[in-house]
Amino acid sequence: ILNVEQSPQSLHVQEGDSTNFTCSFPSSNFYALHWYRWETAKSPEALFVMTLNGDEKKKGRISATLNTKEGYSYLYIKGSQPEDSATYLCASNVDSNYQLIWGAGTKLIIKP
Amino acid sequence: DARVTQTPRHKVTEMGQEVTMRCQPILGHNTVFWYRQTMMQGLELLAYFRNRAPLDDSGMPKDRFSAEMPDATLATLKIQPSEPRDSAVYFCASGLVRAGYTFGSGTRLTVV
Repeated sequence: ILNVEQSPQSLHVQEGDSTNFTCSFPSSNFYALHWYRWETAKSPEALFVMTLNGDEKKKGRISATLNTKEGYSYLYIKGSQPEDSATYLCASNVDSNYQLIWGAGTKLIIKP
Repeated sequence: DARVTQTPRHKVTEMGQEVTMRCQPILGHNTVFWYRQTMMQGLELLAYFRNRAPLDDSGMPKDRFSAEMPDATLATLKIQPSEPRDSAVYFCASGLVRAGYTFGSGTRLTVV
C-alpha cells in the first residue's frame, strides 16, 4: 500500500512565528515530490516540485527540503502572516505510471 | 501565465440530467487529472490521462461517470444520470511529471 502522510493534521500559529510540517512518502520508486497550497474556495496552487535527494527550494518565506532515502520532506514558513492560512498538501509520484498519491494535508491557521 | 481552463464554473442541474464538464489543459502538458473535492476537503481522483490515454479511472463510478480526451486540447468528464450526491467541486489539472501540475479553477456542480 502506497501512502503519503502529513503531520500535523492542523496547526495554529501566532502571526510572526515560524513553523514547519512534514510529509512522509514511500522512498522506493520515487520520482518527484510536490507541495501545494490550497486556500478555501480556491484551487490548489503549486509551490514546489522536488526530485533530488537533499534538494532545498525556496519561494519567499516558504522553503522545503527533501530526503528521498528516508522518505520525508519538510515545509518551512518563516515569519507567518495571515495570508499563509491555508491547507498545505504534498503529493508523491510513484510507480512507472507516475501515479500521484496525495497526503491529507496540514491545515495552517495563523492567529493575528 | 498559462492556465488550465475549466467550463462551466458553476452548474445547477436537476437529478437525472446529463452533465458535461470540460477542461482545456495547458499546451504541451501530457498529463491530465480529474479530481473531485470531497466532503472531508480532500482530493478524490476520478481519472488520469497521459498522452490522451486513460491510465487510471478506478476511482470513478463507471455506471454513471465517463472521462475522455478527444484531442490534446480538451478533456471531458460526463455524468449521466446525475444524482444529488454528485454535488461537489470538480477540478482538472494538467502538467508534466517532474515539472508539476496546474489546477483549473474548478466546476462547482449542484444537483437538485
